[in-house]
Amino acid sequence: DQQVKQNSPSLSVQEGRISILNCDYTNSMFDYFLWYKKYPAEGPTFLISISSIKDKNEDGRFTVFLNKSAKHLSLHIVPSQPGDSAVYFCAASGRFGGSQGNLIFGKGTKLSVKP
Amino acid sequence: DTGVSQNPRHKITKRGQNVTFRCDPISEHNRLYWYRQTLGQGPEFLTYFQNEAQLEKSRLLSDRFSAERPKGSFSTLEIQRTEQGDSAMYLCASSLRSISITGELFFGEGSRLTVL
Repeated sequence: DQQVKQNSPSLSVQEGRISILNCDYTNSMFDYFLWYKKYPAEGPTFLISISSIKDKNEDGRFTVFLNKSAKHLSLHIVPSQPGDSAVYFCAASGRFGGSQGNLIFGKGTKLSVKP
Repeated sequence: DTGVSQNPRHKITKRGQNVTFRCDPISEHNRLYWYRQTLGQGPEFLTYFQNEAQLEKSRLLSDRFSAERPKGSFSTLEIQRTEQGDSAMYLCASSLRSISITGELFFGEGSRLTVL
């Protein structure tokens, strides 16, 4: 049973427009959410995060929104650039069960930004 | 380069053979993690060390898998009697703070295992 779901395997956006990547989760015990970006042949790199006590976090062109009642978060990239083309993973963590090492990842969304 | 380093980058082996992967974390990071990623999936947690202590193990880590971090620095992940289902990218990550505080892991480029 997937606890973190990214239902869109791919997304194509024109350069300069907004990219919106979505993520849903099922476990209400998650207290930290993150987005990672992965280029081919590289490991995932951290992009942005949000604590469950907040509903928005912004870092430059990247903004993450959290809707706890809907168990939904989204990543907005404005404006999108061709270099943003990558696979984006949503991830969540929590101290349930005493876990301190387990990030739970979604399956990823492949973003293509076309010039 | 002071990032997380993994070796070898790619390993091809025959079913039944043993393989070992090595991870060198960022030097000041005391937390080290192993994840596995298969095609079309996100990374899946395998195990977690704080210094030399292995604090968490996923049920994905069968008896054929063993991970060590003997001196709290580098770590090894050994897979015995490999099976075709073990074919995956094995990712190592490290962090300075608990993921329950910041969530940020620094990943290496991974070691890709192909079991024939």
